[in-house]
Amino acid sequence: GAGVSQSPRYKVAKRGQDVALRCDPISGHVSLFWYQQALGQGPEFLTYFQNEAQLDKSGLPSDRFFAERPEGSVSTLKIQRTQQEDSAVYLCASRSDTGRQETQYFGPGTRLLVL
Amino acid sequence: DAKTTQPTSMDCAEGRAANLPCNHSTISGNEYVYWYRQIHSQGPQYIIHGLKNNETNEMASLIITEDRKSSTLILPHATLRDTAVYYCIVPQGSGNTGKLIFGQGTTLQVKP
Repeated sequence: GAGVSQSPRYKVAKRGQDVALRCDPISGHVSLFWYQQALGQGPEFLTYFQNEAQLDKSGLPSDRFFAERPEGSVSTLKIQRTQQEDSAVYLCASRSDTGRQETQYFGPGTRLLVL
Repeated sequence: DAKTTQPTSMDCAEGRAANLPCNHSTISGNEYVYWYRQIHSQGPQYIIHGLKNNETNEMASLIITEDRKSSTLILPHATLRDTAVYYCIVPQGSGNTGKLIFGQGTTLQVKP
């Protein structure tokens, strides 16, 4: 299967710990997005990469959240000093950008629980 | 930037057609309408998208009104596995950033 993959699928962290969430996009996809989904809510945009460039980080809730995509492929979302309100599902999506149309394909998400 | 409005929830009998409406009255001429769904504990799944013309694929049909201010997603023969939250989305952002604003979506319950 050549879909978007994310790891780990589940993460339990103690408050104050740092966590790193990985996204492997579909091979060759130029754009990569991170979204956060709180329980019972729709996903909310966090940040966007075009290749290795982070072009939009307007959705990152605080400076504890940091994302990178150094080689324009795999991306990592890092959360420093986790808080209970960071508990959510973190979704990654990728997009090919070969044409005008903008279909994003999502991974299964990483469910983060901060205790 | 176009926003969408959907009913909070809908029920459908198994085997019948499910018709999910969406209003996007502020959509501009070059913006597409996308539909995704999210089955419990899974990532959002792309269903279909369209600009002006009606579209059909193996999953669903999309009917867009002539003025493009609303659309309807049709699942022709709903099954229990179609129970999910359905999102109607117009991608946002200048320069084709295209971030998705999901809203609350429509929770479709397919009943036996």
